[in-house]
Amino acid sequence: GENVEQHPSTLSVQEGDSAVIKCTYSDSASNYFPWYKQELGKRPQLIIDIRSNVGEKKDQRIAVTLNKTAKHFSLHITETQPEDSAVYFCAASITAGTASKLTFGTGTRLQVTL
Amino acid sequence: ETGVTQTPRHLVMGMTNKKSLKCEQHLGHNAMYWYKQSAKKPLELMFVYNFKEQTENNSVPSRFSPECPNSSHLFLHLHTLQPEDSALYLCASSQDGLAGGGTDTQYFGPGTRLTVL
Repeated sequence: GENVEQHPSTLSVQEGDSAVIKCTYSDSASNYFPWYKQELGKRPQLIIDIRSNVGEKKDQRIAVTLNKTAKHFSLHITETQPEDSAVYFCAASITAGTASKLTFGTGTRLQVTL
Repeated sequence: ETGVTQTPRHLVMGMTNKKSLKCEQHLGHNAMYWYKQSAKKPLELMFVYNFKEQTENNSVPSRFSPECPNSSHLFLHLHTLQPEDSALYLCASSQDGLAGGGTDTQYFGPGTRLTVL
């Protein structure tokens, strides 16, 4: 089955700096890659996703890149703010006409310091 | 934040108890999921239901028994649990992209924090 690895497990950046979180996946058939943000005591919330037919997607301060050949994808947060502090999870799945089966990474705890 | 609801939010039970977790989605989705979230481990998929039919059982012990009476409701029946089953149990729903005209994006409920004594 699919295996998703995520690095780093913790990341501390100063406010205004950029943060990058990287994930690799094992199944070359995976075609959907969402990123979730989970604040303490709250539910995971989708912040951005990318499908295998594009290499990059951007939404304001957040961007995701996908390298299908190398089977890795990354989350980039620019101009970080204290409210970006949370745990971020990457995931990969194969969508093929039935309910998507997400395999999650182990999470990255991002701390944005003043 | 009310698209997917879960009750109860917190549950403490003994190893011999029987309890049930409830999930309801108000998004008109066709698929529902149960996940287990333990400290320092990735979100673990437990069960998947698509149009009320179970399509995935990720080698979950039989002390966890799911039930999906319709596309909007999902239950997780618990019996004779172990202390290591203590975790946050998250429900999610999605609309199938290929067959249902959706995006496959999964939306999560707030979770039930389960403690087994």
